[in-house]
Amino acid sequence: GIQVEQSPPDLILQEGANSTLRCNFSDSVNNLQWFHQNPWGQLINLFYIPSGTKQNGRLSATTVATERYSLLYISSSQTTDSGVYFCADTRDYKLSFGAGTTVTVRA
Amino acid sequence: EAGVTQSPTHLIKTRGQQATLRCSPISGHTSVYWYQQALGLGLQFLLWYDEGEERNRGNFPPRFSGRQFPNYSSELNVNALELEDSALYLCASRGRGYSNQPQHFGDGTRLSIL
Repeated sequence: GIQVEQSPPDLILQEGANSTLRCNFSDSVNNLQWFHQNPWGQLINLFYIPSGTKQNGRLSATTVATERYSLLYISSSQTTDSGVYFCADTRDYKLSFGAGTTVTVRA
Repeated sequence: EAGVTQSPTHLIKTRGQQATLRCSPISGHTSVYWYQQALGLGLQFLLWYDEGEERNRGNFPPRFSGRQFPNYSSELNVNALELEDSALYLCASRGRGYSNQPQHFGDGTRLSIL
C-alpha cells in the first residue's frame, strides 16, 4: 500500500506563530484529506484537497499531486490549534494515514 | 445536517467478552468505514461496507466483524476481546457510489479492555 510520511513529528509553537506541516507520499496522490484530532479524540475534517490550494480561515493547504506531497499552513496559531494533524490518501477506497504531527501551541 | 454518530462513547469490557459498536452515517451516505486507533499504532483501516455488503477489510483477525443495515447504519462486533483491542474505534461515512469523495468521521467509541 501507499506509504505516507509526515513531518515534523512534533511541533511546539508560541501563540501567534506560523507553521508548515508536510506530507510525502510514496505514490501519486488521489484524494488527499487533512484532519485535526483534538485532545478528546475527535477527528475533524480540515481539507479535501486532491490538488491545488485551498484556504479556510487561518488554515490553508496545498497539494502538488505530481510531486507526491501536500502542505498544511497554520497562521497566527492559537491554543485551540493544539492536537494531532493527520494527512491521508485514498487507496482502494480506504484511507491510508500518516503517523501525524503533534502540535502544541503555548500561550 | 447531522454528522456521523457513534455509540456508545465509552465501553468497558473484560477479556473474552464481546463488544458491539454502532455507527449511523450522514444522511444520504451509503459507505461506512471502520478504523482502529490503538496507542502507538496510528489509524488503521478495519472494514468497509457499501450498500449492505462488506467490500474490503484490513489486516485484522476474523473476530473483528460487522454488518451494514438497510438504512446504511453499521455495527462493528469484536469477539473474544483481548487486551490489545483497547483503542479508539472511529467510523466514517462517504457519499453514494465509488466516486472519489471525502470521508467524514464520527467522534469515536473508546473501548477499554480490563
